Amino acid sequence: QKEVEQNSGPLSVPEGAIASLNCTYSDRGSQSFFWYRQYSGKSPELIMSIYSNGDKEDGRFTAQLNKASQYVSLLIRDSQPSDSATYLCAVNKGGRRALTFGSGTRLQVQP
Amino acid sequence: DTEVTQTPKHLVMGMTNKKSLKCEQHMGHRAMYWYKQKAKKPPELMFVYSYEKLSINESVPSRFSPECPNSSLLNLHLHALQPEDSALYLCASSQDPGANTQYFGPGTRLTVL
Repeated sequence: QKEVEQNSGPLSVPEGAIASLNCTYSDRGSQSFFWYRQYSGKSPELIMSIYSNGDKEDGRFTAQLNKASQYVSLLIRDSQPSDSATYLCAVNKGGRRALTFGSGTRLQVQP
Repeated sequence: DTEVTQTPKHLVMGMTNKKSLKCEQHMGHRAMYWYKQKAKKPPELMFVYSYEKLSINESVPSRFSPECPNSSLLNLHLHALQPEDSALYLCASSQDPGANTQYFGPGTRLTVL
């Protein structure tokens, strides 16, 4: 089992729809969770961070964390073609002081 | 300001060359990181510097040699690389080793011939 798992996609959604990206992790000691967006050939850009169970909203983005089920998700409302990118889930296991990345989900927003 | 800068943007080198990648941040962050990213793969951690001291080395081959001259600068010295070392090399920083939010630089695209 991979430490951080994501569906590689591509996830294709029409413009204006909600895109739902999911991530599961194996270490119950994980404490911090991050979503990064990466355009092709560019570096990862931090989108959201979440540390406690529940939802965290920032503009069109909502991160959801469920530690009991060991999953974290990212919802993108009113998806735009500019949201087309690879979304990386990253987890900090606590005590390690480094992030473990999932393999990423490629999102395609169709105009 | 959450800017991390990296130079050069692109680097082509032969297997016998010696080159260096540079990373700089002026956010007062005390933890800095080197990652390697191959195409269609996630970033892989190489090194972590915490308060200018090497705290994590992910069993990286000795042909990669990190250096942290001061709290704002991080270098990666390259020597005798192999073609399979061609990748995007990313630098990141965080406020301190326990603050998990990492900010990435734009990366250096390295090609080894």
